[in-house]
Amino acid sequence: DTGVSQNPRHKITKRGQNVTFRCDPISEHNRLYWYRQTLGQGPEFLTYFQNEAQLEKSRLLSDRFSAERPKGSFSTLEIQRTEQGDSAMYLCASSLSLNEQFFGPGTRLTVL
Amino acid sequence: QQQVKQSPQSLIVQKGGISIINCAYENTAFDYFPWYQQFPGKGPALLIAIRPDVSEKKEGRFTISFNKSAKQFSLHIMDSQPGDSATYFCAATPAGTYKYIFGTGTRLKVLA
Repeated sequence: DTGVSQNPRHKITKRGQNVTFRCDPISEHNRLYWYRQTLGQGPEFLTYFQNEAQLEKSRLLSDRFSAERPKGSFSTLEIQRTEQGDSAMYLCASSLSLNEQFFGPGTRLTVL
Repeated sequence: QQQVKQSPQSLIVQKGGISIINCAYENTAFDYFPWYQQFPGKGPALLIAIRPDVSEKKEGRFTISFNKSAKQFSLHIMDSQPGDSATYFCAATPAGTYKYIFGTGTRLKVLA
């Protein structure tokens, strides 16, 4: 399968713990995006990379959130000191062409 | 504030009928308008997309109609089938960026 993959698919953690998610984009896609989706809502943009450079960050991305894309391949999204409000589906997407984004299956985070 | 408004929130259509979902935007120059389909537990999948220099685009049973002056665009699903039952999101890309601004989604149910 050559689609976008995300791991883990589900993560349950206690408030205050740190969590890290991984996204593997479609091979050769140079752009990678992170979105957050809460129940009954559309995905909200968090940040995006072109190759290894992080080019845009949403104001939704507080200082507890950090994303990296070393070597322009896979990406990680870390949330420090998780809060219950962080519970959501975290979606990763990648693109090669100007706009079309391909989404992964997401990582569902539950913060207890 | 960049925003895309989507309606209706939910829609029930008989098999073989036409499903129509509407989106509107204001005060921002967007230059790409995709529609995504999402099934429970899955990431969004691109259905069809349009650019503002085109008023209509058709792919199979799916048609986007775009009204630039009114800042509105809509998705028409012809001959709706039970397998089309899913949540549909419109989105828009602000000119000069690559991120998507999503609508709030429409939950479509097609009755057999």
